[in-house]
Amino acid sequence: EPEVTQTPSHQVTQMGQEVILRCVPISNHLYFYWYRQILGQKVEFLVSFYNNEISEKSEIFDDQFSVERPDGSNFTLKIRSTKLEDSAMYFCASRPGRGDEKLFFGSGTQLSVL
Amino acid sequence: GENVEQHPSTLSVQEGDSAVIKCTYSDSASNYFPWYKQELGKRPQLIIDIRSNVGEKKDQRIAVTLNKTAKHFSLHITETQPEDSAVYFCAAPLKTSYDKVIFGPGTSLSVIP
Repeated sequence: EPEVTQTPSHQVTQMGQEVILRCVPISNHLYFYWYRQILGQKVEFLVSFYNNEISEKSEIFDDQFSVERPDGSNFTLKIRSTKLEDSAMYFCASRPGRGDEKLFFGSGTQLSVL
Repeated sequence: GENVEQHPSTLSVQEGDSAVIKCTYSDSASNYFPWYKQELGKRPQLIIDIRSNVGEKKDQRIAVTLNKTAKHFSLHITETQPEDSAVYFCAAPLKTSYDKVIFGPGTSLSVIP
């Protein structure tokens, strides 16, 4: 069964450093998402991406965040200057297209900012 | 506003009993309502979903019921087993964009053998 894959599974970084989290969505899916989950808390929407542009973003997704689909397969989340409060599990998700709202999640990247 | 609530936040049941988790949403235009199960340290996984044109959907021991008028939908798990222990999240899209799916705060279900 096709899966959303994410790399790395764990990322440790120093406060103020830039990180890039990588995702490969399921190949025929058209909508891509980033969510984050602080330990023990709910899954929070960050951003959705369709047709090579951001379609929705939350108030969490400020100027420090950006997303990119640099080629036909990868979907990345960049945090420009990490803060301690960015420490969380970051999940990538994708879904097929209009009329199919089922989200398929990757296994996540655990980001620790020291 | 964007609001999805769940009750209870924690639930303990004896193995074999039923569990019910209720979710309320604020956006009356939402028309798709999924439930996700998240085991410890794992990704959320869709377990059942329902569209607004039906009132109930069943899949073996799991069912979801929807009350659009009251803006709530519920997850029902019958004959619970220890492997049902997990955090369950409901979710709802916003009317402004089906691209923005908001999750509820989660319900931690413990099934006691």
